[in-house]
Formats: sequence, structure tokens, C-alpha cells
Amino acid sequence: QVQLEQSGAEVKKPGASVKVACKASEHTFTGFDFHWVRQAPGQGLEWMGWINADSGGTKYAQRFQGRVTMTRDTSISTAYMDLTRLRYDDTAVYYCARGTGVALIYYYMDVWGEGTTVTVS
Amino acid sequence: SYVLTQPPSVSVGPGQTARFTCGGNNLGRKSVHWYQQKPGQAPVLVVYEDSDRPSGIPERFSGSNSGNTATLTISRVEAGDEADYYCQVWDYPSDHVVFGGGTKLTVL
Repeated sequence: QVQLEQSGAEVKKPGASVKVACKASEHTFTGFDFHWVRQAPGQGLEWMGWINADSGGTKYAQRFQGRVTMTRDTSISTAYMDLTRLRYDDTAVYYCARGTGVALIYYYMDVWGEGTTVTVS
Repeated sequence: SYVLTQPPSVSVGPGQTARFTCGGNNLGRKSVHWYQQKPGQAPVLVVYEDSDRPSGIPERFSGSNSGNTATLTISRVEAGDEADYYCQVWDYPSDHVVFGGGTKLTVL
């Protein structure tokens, strides 16, 4: 069964950085894209960006440009999301999700991690 | 940037039909996907490419998309269907993902 396992909860001070990991189960990493989606308390889903596991190519939502970096380590089937200059309103649950589809314009997220709670306090 | 609009809430009784709308400019030309999120859990894909169901999703869940509106329909609603439902599209040429604001289903 395909699974995405995320790193544990983090508590950070304003201005600090956080790096969240997302490890894919075997044979479910290369050939896919991995998205990061966050959800502030009581709010909806907010897309942050994605990384192609094969090329390492990335695309970020405009509001996170300059603060977010997405990377991957294919040798351990793990994607990372690094968010810098944390603010109080970055407090949220951060999800990784596998993107798939016959072409980009049809892309959806078929497998999600359990989420990582990041608290800025 | 592209915007998807969802009503904040829908309420139906058990056994009834729940319909969730998702509005966007020329949305019928895009591929729409739907996610269910129960409290404290990660989202789960329930409909992809407008009307297809992933394995394990009951036939009670169905989708359609035409004009400026996509619709997720849940037939014979059960108490366990209570959740937030989000629509999602891929915005081209920005290659960005867009989510709707979500609709909360209350089963009366």
C-alpha cells in the first residue's frame, strides 16, 4: 500500500526556519510529483508548491516565493519542504501529497501524508 | 490567478442527496477533482477528472462538470459522510494548483 510518512511536529520561534520531511514507501517516489499543502487552524487547504521527484524541478505559489524551498533525495525516497522567516500565521498542519495524472492539466493528489503540525510561538 | 468558489455549508438528512457546487470561469474546460476531509484527518480523494472514482470510494459519490460549475453528488447520505469537501483544478499556464474554499457537510 502506498504511504507517505511525514516528520514529527515542530515548535518554532518567529523568524526561524522549519524543514518538513515526507518519505514515500518503496516504488512510489520517482516518476511522480510531490505537492505541499498547508491548513491553518479552522481554515481551508492552501497549496504551497510542488517538486518533480525525477528532475527536482519546482514550482511555488506566489505568496511563498522567496521563503519556501522544496528539495528531494531520491536515494531515500524523501521530499522536503523548507520554510524560512516563520511568522505566527505560518502555524498550520503541513501535508505532502503525491501528484499524478495523464498530463499536468489533469493532475490530482491521490496519496496524502498524515500531516505535520508546525506551531510558531 | 484562477478562483474556485464553493458555498460554505450544506445540510441534509440521512438517506438524502447532498450536492456540492464548485464555480469557476469556464470550469467545464478544466479537469476537476474532489477531496473529503474529516476532522483531524488528511484529505482523501473521492472523485478525479470530473467524474471518476478511486478504488474504495463508494458508488454513492459521483461528479459532473459543465459550463462554469462542477458538482459533487453524494447519494443516500450517511452520518459518516460528514466532512469538509474541497474541489481542485490545475491552473494552466501557471502550472499552479488551485483549491476551492471548501464546503462543510452537516448530516442532520
